[in-house]
Amino acid sequence: NAGVTQTPKFRILKIGQSMTLQCTQDMNHNYMYWYRQDPGMGLKLIYYSVGAGITDKGEVPNGYNVSRSTTEDFPLRLELAAPSQTSVYFCASTRQGETEKLFFGSGTQLSVL
Amino acid sequence: GESVGLHLPTLSVQEGDNSIINCAYSNSASDYFIWYKQESGKGPQFIIDIRSNMDKRQGQRVTVLLNKTVKHLSLQIAATQPGDSAVYFCAENPARLYNFNKFYFGSGTKLNVKP
Repeated sequence: NAGVTQTPKFRILKIGQSMTLQCTQDMNHNYMYWYRQDPGMGLKLIYYSVGAGITDKGEVPNGYNVSRSTTEDFPLRLELAAPSQTSVYFCASTRQGETEKLFFGSGTQLSVL
Repeated sequence: GESVGLHLPTLSVQEGDNSIINCAYSNSASDYFIWYKQESGKGPQFIIDIRSNMDKRQGQRVTVLLNKTVKHLSLQIAATQPGDSAVYFCAENPARLYNFNKFYFGSGTKLNVKP
């Protein structure tokens, strides 16, 4: 199993550009999450999903959108990139009932200039 | 909102010594806690967890202690090795309260292991 896979690993955006961070997992986990990690800080929850077709806001959702059309995929969309969105983004997943431990992807480092 | 914080941002220890990393949490409804290890350039990895009905849990070279009275938990690493150098996060989960998994992370402690 590959686990949680994120693409791209690095990206530089100009202010106002848009992009989608991809996340896919092959563990049949129903719960998926997007976190951002600013330098020297902990992880902040952006959005999460408890299953296909269901998404909800986390602590810092402004400026982002998500969708969950399949169990495997949970893309994160930035519509109008701003310097404040410069961060490392982590996708994670877990399965309710079996484990509450999050499995993380390796992250996407995003810079908005 | 929830607040999970760490007392020391950086901890330096000698190889072979024991390490203790502390974490304070503010949500008394949190009933599940996890410690994660994050190596440079990688995503966090699960180390050990503990539920609120326990005050101690041991793993391989690691022990987590939970003090619900003062809302504090700690991670003890025995015989610290160079490979333990990383940032360590605690995370709390008030899942039982909200009926879903929603983790809140502290800001992390960087552990430096000196040879």
